[in-house]
Amino acid sequence: GAVVSQHPSRVICKSGTSVKIECRSLDFQATTMFWYRQFPKQSLMLMATSNEGSKATYEQGVEKDKFLINHASLTLSTLTVTSAHPEDSSFYICSAIKGAYEQFFGPGTRLTVL
Amino acid sequence: GDSVTQMEGPVTLSEEAFLTINCTYTATGYPSLFWYVQYPGEGLQLLLKATKADDKGSNKGFEATYRKETTSFHLEKGSVQVSDSAVYFCALFSQGGSEKLVFGKGTKLTVNP
Repeated sequence: GAVVSQHPSRVICKSGTSVKIECRSLDFQATTMFWYRQFPKQSLMLMATSNEGSKATYEQGVEKDKFLINHASLTLSTLTVTSAHPEDSSFYICSAIKGAYEQFFGPGTRLTVL
Repeated sequence: GDSVTQMEGPVTLSEEAFLTINCTYTATGYPSLFWYVQYPGEGLQLLLKATKADDKGSNKGFEATYRKETTSFHLEKGSVQVSDSAVYFCALFSQGGSEKLVFGKGTKLTVNP
């Protein structure tokens, strides 16, 4: 199998606080993980590529100081939304690569910033 | 650059109707093609894939054939069920191209009993 989990599944926070989202590959090792953001009724927007043991690669227009990514082990990547604001409210989805290129997706995290 | 265009939704069908969701692509390199499904409130699940021209991916009654001559990967199902209601995303991964998974905008399917 190839299972990817995310925690938490839902989080509500106050404006100005930071929120950490975890992405784990449960039954395989993943040197590369991806973080996506999905707005309502829209497609997934790739935010960054997370490589184990090195700095993440951010897509154009994504603030790396705002969205901190850490990929400290072969089964865990974290996304921290720093000083969150209501416009950061979204559905965040991670994925992990198994094998050459096949991606397996986590169930997503719904972030609501009040 | 790499891109995927899929038919605009939403699509509403009655149970047992035939489904087609069109998907065309442009890509550099040698793309593999995918259909993902997203059920309400959940992440994406791989529905089927094809890695080279003329391959047919199939799963759960869904099929799609990789057509290089028309750069298409249309999703079909002969008889849809209420449980097929979801958002369907066409995607490509181009090795030697963008090296990223590129998604279409998604097509919402609603199947009524």
